Order: sequence, then structure tokens, then C-alpha cells
Amino acid sequence: QSVLTQPPSVSAAPGQKVTISCSGSSSNIGSNYVSWYQQLPGTVPKLLIFENDKRPSGISVRFSGSKSGTSATLAITGLQTGDEADYYCGTWDSSLSVGVFGGGTKLTVL
Amino acid sequence: QIQLVQSGAEVKKPGASLTVSCKASGYPFGAYGITWVRQAPGQGLEWMGWISGHNGETYYAQNLQGRLTLTTDTSTSTAYMELRSLRSDDTAVYYCAKMTAPPYNWFDPWGQGTLVTVSS
Repeated sequence: QSVLTQPPSVSAAPGQKVTISCSGSSSNIGSNYVSWYQQLPGTVPKLLIFENDKRPSGISVRFSGSKSGTSATLAITGLQTGDEADYYCGTWDSSLSVGVFGGGTKLTVL
Repeated sequence: QIQLVQSGAEVKKPGASLTVSCKASGYPFGAYGITWVRQAPGQGLEWMGWISGHNGETYYAQNLQGRLTLTTDTSTSTAYMELRSLRSDDTAVYYCAKMTAPPYNWFDPWGQGTLVTVSS
């Protein structure tokens, strides 16, 4: 049981937009920055978004993040088959003094 | 470029201890921390703990307290993860990643991962 809640799977057609939600509580998302990671099949996770909505150098503008209250959202526009991957949200939990992840969301591009 | 290189795959018996190393390069080791994350086969990411590269301050996941010890060797810019009393459910890929400091909890870059198999 993960501290952060993500949908197990989402799907959309190429070229479309998809959003992935990440729900937490006041002690984690509600009071700390959220980050997002992409894990392509068989590869190492890669940072997509940090500080809720910032993209590291080299990350496509098709990926964007937002946060409101105790929830965060990753949006991916102009879907490509190469975006098929598992996506994870993460943050710090100030009450537990630990890092926490969501359970991950598998994106299928139909 | 910033790089984290981990030690190689391990096979351990239940009850044994494991040490994985993570050698950092391309940045001032003492200015950042190292987080350890593991991923069991077919499962999601599990945060294990964080250690400061500056003063050795640590945070540990509650379910690993007592079995996990994180250390660093600043002279070689290397972080170490020791897990004791291994069980079969410790079978996983173990990753290290560069992280500033709590609560700035994002990880970039990651090491290549170390596959650990616990089996009798």
C-alpha cells in the first residue's frame, strides 16, 4: 500500500493528451514539492518533473506538472508510442520524515 | 557529466548481509546527498533511505529500520548501502540517486541499478 495514490493504468491514442493523478495528504504533497519519474521498460527511472512543475534540461515540453492542495498531476501532450512507460510521483513526508512514492501508473499509447 | 556507478549483481542466502556501493563523479560529493531506492520484480519504487554527503546525517524507511545502514566515504565520493538479515522479499534492483536534502526530494541522476537475488 503506497502512501501516494496513483491510478494503476491510463491509456490514450497517439497525438492525444493524458493526465496522471497523484493523491496524498497534508503531511506529504500538501506541504512539500512533488517530482515525477518515467521508467521505460527495462530501464532506470528518469526524472521528468521536480518542484511540482519544473522540467530538467532535456525533458520535452510535452511533459508538464501541477499541484493543488494534496494532489498533483502529470500531463503528457502529443502522445507518442515511445511514451509507453511506468510513471511514478514522489515527495517527502514531513510527519514520517521519509521519502514516499506513488504505486506507479502504466501508460499505454493505443 | 554527473554519474553514479554502482557495484555489480549479487546473489545472497537468506540471513546474509549485503553491501552495495555507489561511486559518484562530476559534482561536489559533499554538497549533496544520496538516496537509495529499490524495486522488487514487477513492482513499484520503494524509498529506502537518504544520507548526506556532507555530514552523514541519515533518514531511513521505517520498515527497514534496524536492518539498513547507509554510509559514505568522502575521500572516494562513494556511498554504501548495507542491508542485514536478508529475506527472499529483499530480492530487487537497488538504485542509488543524487538528491539534495529533505524535503527537496527529487532524484537525478540515478545509478544503473544493482540486481540482488536472495535465495537458498
